[in-house]
Amino acid sequence: AQSVTQLGSHVSVSEGALVLLRCNYSSSVPPYLFWYVQYPNQGLQLLLKYTSAATLVKGINGFEAEFKKSETSFHLTKPSAHMSDAAEYFCAVSEGTSYDKVIFGPGTSLSVIP
Amino acid sequence: GAVVSQHPSRVICKSGTSVKIECRSLDFQATTMFWYRQFPKQSLMLMATSNEGSKATYEQGVEKDKFLINHASLTLSTLTVTSAHPEDSSFYLCSAPVPAGGAEAQYFGPGTRLLVL
Repeated sequence: AQSVTQLGSHVSVSEGALVLLRCNYSSSVPPYLFWYVQYPNQGLQLLLKYTSAATLVKGINGFEAEFKKSETSFHLTKPSAHMSDAAEYFCAVSEGTSYDKVIFGPGTSLSVIP
Repeated sequence: GAVVSQHPSRVICKSGTSVKIECRSLDFQATTMFWYRQFPKQSLMLMATSNEGSKATYEQGVEKDKFLINHASLTLSTLTVTSAHPEDSSFYLCSAPVPAGGAEAQYFGPGTRLLVL
């Protein structure tokens, strides 16, 4: 069975500082991995996805994530935090194509301190 | 990009009544859609997979007679919460996979907030 863990339910960073949100996954097959962002009372927006191509994936809004098979990790980073980055971030995994169900991690709430 | 809409965005109902939530793919066809429920400060929990032209597939622990899913067309799936109770109050989201073309991801609707009094 697939699962996702996100270390740290809440992360605070100063504006301009590095953002690092951790994600580890468990999957019996080569996974597809995703990061989604959710602003209050809104749906989810896809930040980036890993689908077995390049291990370093660049997404929107300056975010990127690196797939490390040996560590079963897919951590999300951004070099310089902006106030608008404050939101809930979810790491997710699926076993195959986009037609497969997606399993979400518990989420990490990111706060950006001015 | 692909757009998924949900209606209504917010609904308040009395306990015991039924509520229907619509999920539409606006610029693409979706033979499969997914329904999720999100309680406050929690993650998304998959409720069921909606399949056009066939029965929905429910996740373990989700009552299929309470959460009725109908996927009558290639652009519309509906979730009906029957005999709603306060514990059904939640944020309901749907998603649809974008067809072949390299997207390989699901796109989410904006969500429907249900409050049962």
